[in-house]
Parts: sequence; C-alpha cells; structure tokens
Amino acid sequence: DIQMTQSPSSLYASVGDRVTITCRASQMIKNYLNWYQHKPGRAPKLLIYSTSIEVASRFRGSGSGTEFTLTITGLQPEDFATYYCQQSYTTPWTFGQGTRLDIK
Amino acid sequence: EVQLVESGGTLVRRGGSLRLSCVGSGFTFRAYWMSWVRQAPGKGLEWVANIKQDGSENYYVDSVKGRFSTFRDNAKSSLYLQMSNLRAEDTAVYYCARIVAGAVDYFDFWGQGTLVTVSS
Repeated sequence: DIQMTQSPSSLYASVGDRVTITCRASQMIKNYLNWYQHKPGRAPKLLIYSTSIEVASRFRGSGSGTEFTLTITGLQPEDFATYYCQQSYTTPWTFGQGTRLDIK
Repeated sequence: EVQLVESGGTLVRRGGSLRLSCVGSGFTFRAYWMSWVRQAPGKGLEWVANIKQDGSENYYVDSVKGRFSTFRDNAKSSLYLQMSNLRAEDTAVYYCARIVAGAVDYFDFWGQGTLVTVSS
C-alpha cells in the first residue's frame, strides 16, 4: 500500500497568514494527488485535485512524483480545519494522517 | 444541488451486522462511481470501498474484505454498505462520496456521515 505522510501534523497560524502543508508518498504517484478540508461534524470538502487544479480560492497545490504541497494564502477564519491529502494512483486509495490548522 | 445523505448508523454488538444507506440527489446517480470512506474517533480518513456505475466492479480496503460488501440501486439513487462480523475497530463515522473518474480520480462531494459504534 502507498503510505501518505503529511507534515506538520498540526499548525498554528493567524488570520491573513500564508501556510504550507507538505504531503509525501511512499512511492511515485505521478499527479494522482488530491486535497480535502474537513471540519468536525461536517462533510469533507474538495480543495484541489490532480495535484494543482484548484476548486476553492486561496488554496494552491503543487508537486509531482512523491512530494506535494498545499499552500493557503490570506488565511480566513473559516480556513481553520483539518487538511488531508489523498492518492488515487492505485487502490487501496490512501489519505495522509491529516494536518490540523488552528488559530494562533 | 448535489446532496448525499447517509443513514443506518447505530450501536451494534461485536460480531453483528449492519447495513448503511446513502441516497444521492441533484445529479445523475447512475453516471458516477461511488465510494465509502470512514473516520474512526480521533483518527483520520480511511478509504473503505469503491463501486462502479453499474455495480459490476468493487474495490475494498484489505481490513474489510470478506466482511463488507457495497452495492447500489440506481433506480433509487441509493448506495449501500452491508457490514458483517463487525469489530470494535470498525467504529467510525461512515461517509459516502461521489467519485469523479477521469485522468485523476477524486471525491468531489461527500455526505455528512453516519456513526457506527461497535460495542465489545
């Protein structure tokens, strides 16, 4: 199985900040990498698919192969949540362990 | 508006069985692969299963193979997860999600989830 490792596991930031989350795959997954935002009690939300195709504003994805990043610019109060990367290169599809973004 | 609504989650004894349902609306249900993803308490997201548009193909995470089965009724825009021989580690919120299958597959819409608690 492909292991997905996110760093950091948790992160504190302020409204208006720019933050970056890294996701590493245990083997090459080309650009088969997606990012989701999840808030407690809510449905997860798609942010980025295919590494860099943006669905939500302020969220930018980049990378290839085994290393990927999610950058959030101009943090807004509604951005404080947990973020997951996910590979769809091969089954079993796997998620990173999550990065919790909290208000500083 | 796309909506996915799960139901069926409850408290069940270890070794027991349960069927979860997910009803889709606001889109052509039969045109999409669908998926189940779960989140155990305090843990991250874990992919559980995928099912093709016509139900002819299914894929499962190893930990549920032989115990869980996913199927669908496109006439009812419904997705199901039949769970048997439940274990404590199956305790989780179960989400159904719509898959966009293309050059890169991804989940574009998710339900709010339904909680399954397996008592020991």
